[in-house]
Amino acid sequence: AQSVTQLDSQVPVFEEAPVELRCNYSSSVSVYLFWYVQYPNQGLQLLLKYLSGSTLVKGINGFEAEFNKSQTSFHLRKPSVHISDTAEYFCAVSWAGGTSYGKLTFGQGTILTVHP
Amino acid sequence: DVKVTQSSRYLVKRTGEKVFLECVQDMDHENMFWYRQDPGLGLRLIYFSYDVKMKEKGDIPEGYSVSREKKERFSLILESASTNQTSMYLCASSFPYRNYGYTFGSGTRLTVV
Repeated sequence: AQSVTQLDSQVPVFEEAPVELRCNYSSSVSVYLFWYVQYPNQGLQLLLKYLSGSTLVKGINGFEAEFNKSQTSFHLRKPSVHISDTAEYFCAVSWAGGTSYGKLTFGQGTILTVHP
Repeated sequence: DVKVTQSSRYLVKRTGEKVFLECVQDMDHENMFWYRQDPGLGLRLIYFSYDVKMKEKGDIPEGYSVSREKKERFSLILESASTNQTSMYLCASSFPYRNYGYTFGSGTRLTVV
């Protein structure tokens, strides 16, 4: 079965520091890639998605992610984080083929905690 | 603004009760999903529906059932609630296209006592 791995379950950083949240997936066949953010006691919101074209994708709140086909990775980055970025972040993948109906496979999530 | 609405944010039920969690979307999406979210376990798919009256089991369907009588509404049913079903439940909907992604509701935090 296809899988998505978020390599860090928790990432603590200080405010204004850069951050990278790592995501790898199991197969390099045609994929669409997504990052979602979940603030405390809320549902998930779409941060950004990669469908095709430029491998660097920009999203909301200053986040960006880079698609690397050879390494089957889609890491999320922000050059300078704020306290308000404290949340859980989920990577998700949609694979081609089969009767997927557009279903996503999610990673386990990474809790980003920004300290003052 | 497009929405997925879950009927309750917080719910407390007793062991053995039959529990209904309701989800309504206003985007004319074909697909609807129920997930449960527990610390350290990420999102686990309970059931999925790709059309009215159509459903598929997800990864953890035991102890749950679903109903989709209308396109906009997808209900999750806990037949006999147990304490190990205490969790955050998330509903999502989408079009059946790989490039679309999901829209999520705000979640229902269910406590079974």
